[in-house]
This record gives sequence, C-alpha cells and structure tokens, in this order.
Amino acid sequence: DAGVTQSPTHLIKTRGQQVTLRCSPKSGHDTVSWYQQALGQGPQFIFQYYEEEERQRGNFPDRFSGHQFPNYSSELNVNALLLGDSALYLCASRRTGESYGYTFGSGTRLTVV
Amino acid sequence: SQQGEEDPQALSIQEGENATMNCSYKTSINNLQWYRQNSGRGLVHLILIRSNEREKHSGRLRVTLDTSKKSSSLLITASRAADTASYFCATDPGSARQLTFGSGTQLTVLP
Repeated sequence: DAGVTQSPTHLIKTRGQQVTLRCSPKSGHDTVSWYQQALGQGPQFIFQYYEEEERQRGNFPDRFSGHQFPNYSSELNVNALLLGDSALYLCASRRTGESYGYTFGSGTRLTVV
Repeated sequence: SQQGEEDPQALSIQEGENATMNCSYKTSINNLQWYRQNSGRGLVHLILIRSNEREKHSGRLRVTLDTSKKSSSLLITASRAADTASYFCATDPGSARQLTFGSGTQLTVLP
C-alpha cells in the first residue's frame, strides 16, 4: 500500500518564476494538507483540500494556491517566487472524519535562487 | 507561527540511555501527536494522545499529557543510534482544524 507520494523530490527555481508541486495521497485518504518547513523549523500549515475545495488556509499570501482533483491528488502552486520560499514542502493526507495521525510524504525540497 | 515550543532544542545521549523531550502549547486541544523526521525528509507519525488521556505507551515510547499545564513529554527508552532524528509535537484542536507543530528537538544518539 503506497503512502503519500510527492514529486519532484528536488527543484531549483529562479526568483520570480512559478512552481507546481504534486501530491498523491495514501490510498483511502481523501483530505490533503500542505505544509512549508523552513530549515531548522517545524512545518507551517499552508492549506487543506477536501472534496476539491480549499477548506482551511494558514497565514500564507495569495501567491500560494492549490488544487485537488477528483482522484484526491493535489497540486501546490507558488507564483512570483521569492528567496524566502526556499523550503521543504510537505504533503499530508488522512481520511476525513477520523482522528489519527496524518501520513506525510517525503517532501519536495524547493530552492529559489 | 508555531503553537508551542519543544525543550530541549537539541539533545545528545549515549546508546542505551533514555531520551526525554518536552512540548508546551498554548491553546486547547483535542489531541497531541508526536512525529519523527529523519534528515529533513518526511514526517513519520509516532503516537497520538487524546486530551482525556494522561499517559500512553507504544513500544519504547511513552507519552504523557498534562492539559492543566498545557504540556506533553515524549520518553524514548533504551535509545539506539537509529533513533537519531528530529522529533516534533503537533497539537490538533479538533473540528477538522489543522495541526500546529512545535519547533522540534534534534536528538542525537551516539553509538
């Protein structure tokens, strides 16, 4: 049973560019959350998707947007990249309504130069 | 912003010793979870303790929760070099709201 799959694993972009990160949730999971983790810090919540809609959002600017597809997979888009967007981006999934730990992917390491 | 803080920020022990990490948080919770992260990669869920529980065990892990003090501790007994990782606590307020993570404890277990 595959866990959460994220792609790509590493990415280097230039300031001002746009990036799309992808996530496939664990089988049976329908809720996907995205987190940003700066070096040496804990993950910070970006947003959560359920039934193809953004349900919750953390304190991130509109440059950060997302999408969820009918198969529950999700994308995170970041426009007008800043150097400060360099971080590990983590996707987490779980089955809605169940209170247990999230399953995290291995993350995408984004470097903005 | 982080919900709370982990203490200590870094911990170095010898193999076989016990490791204790503490987590403090600020708001009411439905449950508190501990995660492990190796070398800046994905987080692995270790254990979840509900707000009405005071202690929970899973293998070599023991978690306590004191909601009156808004604090939790994670004890790893008989540590191994393979336990070297960053450990994060995360609070779940319930009602499908999101996890909020602490800043983590970097544990190094020396062989």
